[in-house]
Amino acid sequence: AQSVTQLDSQVPVFEEAPVELRCNYSSSVSVYLFWYVQYPNQGLQLLLKYLSGSTLVKGINGFEAEFNKSQTSFHLRKPSVHISDTAEYFCAVSPIVGGSQGNLIFGKGTKLSVKP
Amino acid sequence: SQTIHQWPATLVQPVGSPLSLECTVEGTSNPNLYWYRQAAGRGLQLLFYSVGIGQISSEVPQNLSASRPQDRQFILSSKKLLLSDSGFYLCAWSYRANIQYFGAGTRLSVL
Repeated sequence: AQSVTQLDSQVPVFEEAPVELRCNYSSSVSVYLFWYVQYPNQGLQLLLKYLSGSTLVKGINGFEAEFNKSQTSFHLRKPSVHISDTAEYFCAVSPIVGGSQGNLIFGKGTKLSVKP
Repeated sequence: SQTIHQWPATLVQPVGSPLSLECTVEGTSNPNLYWYRQAAGRGLQLLFYSVGIGQISSEVPQNLSASRPQDRQFILSSKKLLLSDSGFYLCAWSYRANIQYFGAGTRLSVL
């Protein structure tokens, strides 16, 4: 079975500061990796994904993440955050078994609070 | 382009009343469809998914059921709501189980 751990439930940061949201996963099979963002009372929006290829992936809104297979991590980073980045961020994995992709397994989320 | 619609956006229901939440997808055919529940501090819990009309897989046994009467329509139902059914319900679709795209959600309060 797969599991996803988001190590920080809340991350406060000042505007224009860098931020890293941590995500570790556990899986006995290969996985695809995703980060989603959820603004208050809205659905989830895909930020970025890792399916294959370069381990550094760039997403929307200036976010990027790096897949580290040896450490089973997929941390999300942004060099300079804005007030508008205040939201909850979810890391998710999808196992790949027999060439088929399984359902998403989500972490519990990290609430990013950007202060002026 | 593809769009996903969920309604209603908010719903307040008494305990013991029935429930019907609807989700429709436009701009694609034969999508995979999903229902999730999100409770505060607990992340997203997959409730049901469907790979085709009439095909429903349940991830968690509970007071809810799902149906897919048409290719792009997914309905979440309950005959009698419990207090514990309160939460934020999200519908999502994907094409061949790749990236999932989410609707805006329904906030359900059972009182």
